[in-house]
Amino acid sequence: GAGVSQTPSNKVTEKGKYVELRCDPISGHTALYWYRQSLGQGPEFLIYFQGTGAADDSGLPNDRFFAVRPEGSVSTLKIQRTERGDSAVYLCASSLGLSGRGYTFGSGTRLTVV
Amino acid sequence: KQEVTQIPAALSVPEGENLVLNCSFTDSAIYNLQWFRQDPGKGLTSLLLIQSSQREQTSGRLNASLDKSSGRSTLYIAASQPGDSATYLCAVIGGATNKLIFGTGTLLAVQP
Repeated sequence: GAGVSQTPSNKVTEKGKYVELRCDPISGHTALYWYRQSLGQGPEFLIYFQGTGAADDSGLPNDRFFAVRPEGSVSTLKIQRTERGDSAVYLCASSLGLSGRGYTFGSGTRLTVV
Repeated sequence: KQEVTQIPAALSVPEGENLVLNCSFTDSAIYNLQWFRQDPGKGLTSLLLIQSSQREQTSGRLNASLDKSSGRSTLYIAASQPGDSATYLCAVIGGATNKLIFGTGTLLAVQP
């Protein structure tokens, strides 16, 4: 596609529920990143994929968070047993590879846990 | 641990004024530095990317400088317009990782 697509754009869920957030990167971009942005803060790194594998998952806050990219294209961020503190905007970005050149961000998914 | 700070947190200027946004980082071992713009409810748009070997980059009314040794970058906006109103974020990439480390941003309001 022309840009990075994230769905849904908004998600409201009850505390304790499971959610999946989807990211469809730019075609041909081998690198894919997930970030989380809380209100009034800059985005914080969660996980980085190079192809199908997670090259760096050091930003995942705990084991309730998991992400996959099984075919090296679309990625899904999965959050189990959601907590109110998980409420944030989850941003996805893709790029051609290293150095950050060509980083393109999606519009994000606003997750609200009530 | 790399930390990125942006000053000021918010800025309001009249239309037509030139302005400077500041970004500082604690670890000078960066690969590059990027400035992004974020509009409310939107994703991030990359404005300028400066490689570690470069001192500045220009795009239209925007000019970004990088002083790696002192851990500082500035974004200069000339002849500001109301359409420039947004949050401006700077981010660095370290040499050992490909992840962006962001500052908390500067919220800019340009008054018509």
